[in-house]
Amino acid sequence: DTEVTQTPKHLVMGMTNKKSLKCEQHMGHRAMYWYKQKAKKPPELMFVYSYEKLSINESVPSRFSPECPNSSLLNLHLHALQPEDSALYLCASSHRGVATEAFFGQGTRLTVV
Amino acid sequence: AQKITQTQPGMFVQEKEAVTLDCTYDTSDPSYGLFWYKQPSSGEMIFLIYQGSYDQQNATEGRYSLNFQKARKSANLVISASQLGDSAMYFCAMRGGISTSGTYKYIFGTGTRLKVLA
Repeated sequence: DTEVTQTPKHLVMGMTNKKSLKCEQHMGHRAMYWYKQKAKKPPELMFVYSYEKLSINESVPSRFSPECPNSSLLNLHLHALQPEDSALYLCASSHRGVATEAFFGQGTRLTVV
Repeated sequence: AQKITQTQPGMFVQEKEAVTLDCTYDTSDPSYGLFWYKQPSSGEMIFLIYQGSYDQQNATEGRYSLNFQKARKSANLVISASQLGDSAMYFCAMRGGISTSGTYKYIFGTGTRLKVLA
């Protein structure tokens, strides 16, 4: 199983809403990532978890709150987002070494209204 | 600092022809990995091919090959016998550097949009 599953695939939320994005993998990967991708741009790293601990936070605003409850799951909690946060949110996982590719989910297309 | 540069915003290729997508990189790390991903309009990032900094031979995966020139810091993707389904955005990526926890980042170039013509 080389799949990363993200839910939901599409999400529309108001600026006062609280929502969560979910990501799941069963490949035994101990590194998991959240990326944000605006249209026609490359993915931008947001967070990296290593062994269920937050390892890298790329100065992401606190309205984005990541969580890694176990080695297979990664969540991104959203609160009080702005319209400019509308984007494709990609989850990925990998082994921790340099010589290893990341596997990506299909992403969640988020629209903030 | 690490950097990936893709200078071709868009490319066209005739079906069944070969095409080369350019990628140059910059890093001071002796150990790093170079990757190519395909992103169709559906959004999923699909891994295509990997090249390690210490690999002596160029990587190949089916119709994909990576032309790795370490001295020139280039890692170009060659797609042979293009198919209509190859139309997509292609990203070159690098993994390297190290954080205090030993976790590596993947950083991406700006991408090349490939259109295969029938």
